[in-house]
Amino acid sequence: SYELTQPPSVSVSPGQTATITCSGDALDEKYSCWYLQRAGQSPVLIIYRDTKRPSGIPERISASNSGNTATLTISGAQAMDEGDYYCQAWDSNTVVFGGGTKLTVL
Amino acid sequence: QVQLVQSGSELKKPGDSVKVSCKASGYTVTSYTFNWVRQAPGQGLEWMGWINTNTGNPTYAQGFTGRFVFSLDSSFSTASLEISSLKPEDTAVYYCARAVGGWSYGMDVWGQGTTVTVSS
Repeated sequence: SYELTQPPSVSVSPGQTATITCSGDALDEKYSCWYLQRAGQSPVLIIYRDTKRPSGIPERISASNSGNTATLTISGAQAMDEGDYYCQAWDSNTVVFGGGTKLTVL
Repeated sequence: QVQLVQSGSELKKPGDSVKVSCKASGYTVTSYTFNWVRQAPGQGLEWMGWINTNTGNPTYAQGFTGRFVFSLDSSFSTASLEISSLKPEDTAVYYCARAVGGWSYGMDVWGQGTTVTVSS
């Protein structure tokens, strides 16, 4: 079965840039999405179709997908960016989530 | 506004059954699928499967066959997840989420989650 791998944790200083990776076999041949789940809340879609932001998601959130790796970039990190980030793709009509990355802004 | 509202928390004993509902409003339900996602305590998101809102046909992910049933009410605006023969390892938050076909657009609206606790 298809798997997506994320680092368990990433730390960033306020105002700096954080990058979170998501690796999967030939991931660039599939569309990737990203979600942010803040503590105690439901996940929120922040990126779809590799690079697109839903309405209301700030431009400092961006993403790319190339080769085996999708990358989420958060510029000018703020306290509100803290939470668990999940990548997602689908393969053979099955949705797969990465294991999640805890982003700490400190 | 567009929202998915789920039923409240449940405390069940091993062997019981539970039914979690997810009511959609503010959009044309048949333009999207309902998906179910499980999150065990302290763990990540796990996709359970989806139900086609045009046909009512469910599709279950690996590991969610047998004891798990997805259904729609007659208006197709409320989806339900029923779990039978509950086990302690079914303790989790269960989310419903909508997606447009193919999932490349992601799951853009989520319910608030329903906590199911299975304990003797």
